[in-house]
Amino acid sequence: DAGITQSPRHKVTETGTPVTLRCHQTENHRYMYWYRQDPGHGLRLIHYSYGVKDTDKGEVSDGYSVSRSKTEDFLLTLESATSSQTSVYFCAIRGDVALHYEQYFGPGTRLTVT
Amino acid sequence: AQSVTQPDIHITVSEGASLELRCNYSYGATPYLFWYVQSPGQGLQLLLKYFSGDTLVQGIKGFEAEFKRSQSSFNLRKPSVHWSDAAEYFCAVGAEGSTLGRLYFGRGTQLTVWP
Repeated sequence: DAGITQSPRHKVTETGTPVTLRCHQTENHRYMYWYRQDPGHGLRLIHYSYGVKDTDKGEVSDGYSVSRSKTEDFLLTLESATSSQTSVYFCAIRGDVALHYEQYFGPGTRLTVT
Repeated sequence: AQSVTQPDIHITVSEGASLELRCNYSYGATPYLFWYVQSPGQGLQLLLKYFSGDTLVQGIKGFEAEFKRSQSSFNLRKPSVHWSDAAEYFCAVGAEGSTLGRLYFGRGTQLTVWP
């Protein structure tokens, strides 16, 4: 299994509070991704990173920000959590082009915003 | 625009029966195709992948998939389903030339297996 951990695994927070989710990898992979998974929607890309300090938006980035100060860590922040951000969040990593874009996923973080 | 369609939201099969999960994609470039499986409360596990060459690819757990360019399809099959195959299955597509390597996922097919 790819060395990807996510923390916390479960979190309950109140509307309006900031929340930071962490993704940590031990594979030294360049590319990292944050997805959210909601019933009937599959996985939707929030943000991604193609190197330290290099990030870009995905299709559902509103209300989220990310940071990557080290290769191994990719942080997802909800600046002011809303109930619509209740979801399961997955981090994924990918190596270089030679691996043909397959991504490996972490175990997920279940976030509930009350 | 890129898209992946999994027409079946939920499929139920009996243990020992054959299985086919459908996936259609829309992508302008040469596609790379994947099937992932997700057990309840778990992350996604890669089942198999297609990049080039033989259009019938073998994966883990006895699954296979066939790439049909003319039909823009990449259907997942298994000759005999086991109760442990009950899970949600996701098809995904990426593209050659996409240096950021992003994938597009279908909405998933939930598989129920009857004993």
